[in-house]
Amino acid sequence: DAKTTQPPSMDCAEGRAANLPCNHSTISGNEYVYWYRQIHSQGPQYIIHGLKNNETNEMASLIITEDRKSSTLILPHATLRDTAVYYCIVRVRGGKLIFGQGTELSVKP
Amino acid sequence: DAGVIQSPRHEVTEMGQEVTLRCKPISGHDYLFWYRQTMMRGLELLIYFNNNVPIDDSGMPEDRFSAKMPNASFSTLKIQPSEPRDSAVYFCASSSHGGANTEAFFGQGTRLTVV
Repeated sequence: DAKTTQPPSMDCAEGRAANLPCNHSTISGNEYVYWYRQIHSQGPQYIIHGLKNNETNEMASLIITEDRKSSTLILPHATLRDTAVYYCIVRVRGGKLIFGQGTELSVKP
Repeated sequence: DAGVIQSPRHEVTEMGQEVTLRCKPISGHDYLFWYRQTMMRGLELLIYFNNNVPIDDSGMPEDRFSAKMPNASFSTLKIQPSEPRDSAVYFCASSSHGGANTEAFFGQGTRLTVV
């Protein structure tokens, strides 16, 4: 299974863009990059995923480098409610989601 | 759909007792996952099913843990006998097809405390 590396914590000012990096240098060609977040003690929440191309939805944007060895999740206008732990995951065949330690994002007023 | 439903939300039990956690996946989803979360170890995948059949149980910590999926709409995770170190939040998740291009949806979890 490809492993991911994320910074343990980040701060962001409310209203500004939050850019969360992730390294996945051993990713295989058919593996997708998924992002989830977990707010306090709730169940993890799906945010976005991608294979090669950049993706955007109502929650966030995902930028994947051309060599696919790293990606960045962008929350364009962070709010206090975006404070959470963000997990970058490479999805392996068979459907397993293996969570790392994630990045604890603190959005400050 | 109401999403993935787990019960109970909270469970407090004495060491040595049997504990059963329940999960109802989203209708139509054919993959079901059980996770455990603790401060020390984070989110760990315990076991997952495809079409009610266990595919990978390598994350199940000990023989005290067992999981079943008797039908497509119900799964249980049982701990017998329970120990204080089993205290954690247990999450169930489901997804469709299981290929890489699908997302998993999580329940709200069961917070288990073994005293």
